[in-house]
Amino acid sequence: EPEVTQTPSHQVTQMGQEVILRCVPISNHLYFYWYRQILGQKVEFLVSFYNNEISEKSEIFDDQFSVERPDGSNFTLKIRSTKLEDSAMYFCASSVRLAGSNEQFFGPGTRLTVL
Amino acid sequence: DAKTTQPPSMDCAEGRAANLPCNHSTISGNEYVYWYRQIHSQGPQYIIHGLKNNETNEMASLIITEDRKSSTLILPHATLRDTAVYYCIVMGSSNTGKLIFGQGTTLQVKP
Repeated sequence: EPEVTQTPSHQVTQMGQEVILRCVPISNHLYFYWYRQILGQKVEFLVSFYNNEISEKSEIFDDQFSVERPDGSNFTLKIRSTKLEDSAMYFCASSVRLAGSNEQFFGPGTRLTVL
Repeated sequence: DAKTTQPPSMDCAEGRAANLPCNHSTISGNEYVYWYRQIHSQGPQYIIHGLKNNETNEMASLIITEDRKSSTLILPHATLRDTAVYYCIVMGSSNTGKLIFGQGTTLQVKP
């Protein structure tokens, strides 16, 4: 069964450093998402992406964040200058987005620890 | 998107049916009801969705009331592996796909 994969599984970085989280969505999916979950809190939407453009972004997704689909298979989330409060699990998801049906398939997540 | 209300926690005996309720009294005509679950710290997992008819798949059944103001997710024979947080999410078909997760219901399946 096809699945969304994410690398690395755990990333430790120093405050102020740039990180890139990588995702490989399911191959025939057209819609891509990033969510995050701070330890003990709800899963929060960050951004949705379609046709090489951001469709929607949340208030969390400020100028420090960017997304890219560089080569038709990978989907990346970059945080330019990490802060302590960026420590969280980051989940990538993808969907085919059939009309009225938006089953999103999530990856296993990347745990980001900012020291 | 309409707001949902779920009980914070429920217990279920292994092998019995787990019935998880969700209220969505402000749902509008073009909004779907989706159910996801999150096992421990894994990525959320899609379970099932519906508009107004009851739905069944290999994982669960979804019963939506006639007025669509509430629904119930049924896991027919719960196992220990079904212990998870279950999220009921309402989303319109014109939405950009943003899923808004609430606190969900923590289902504890006990032996």
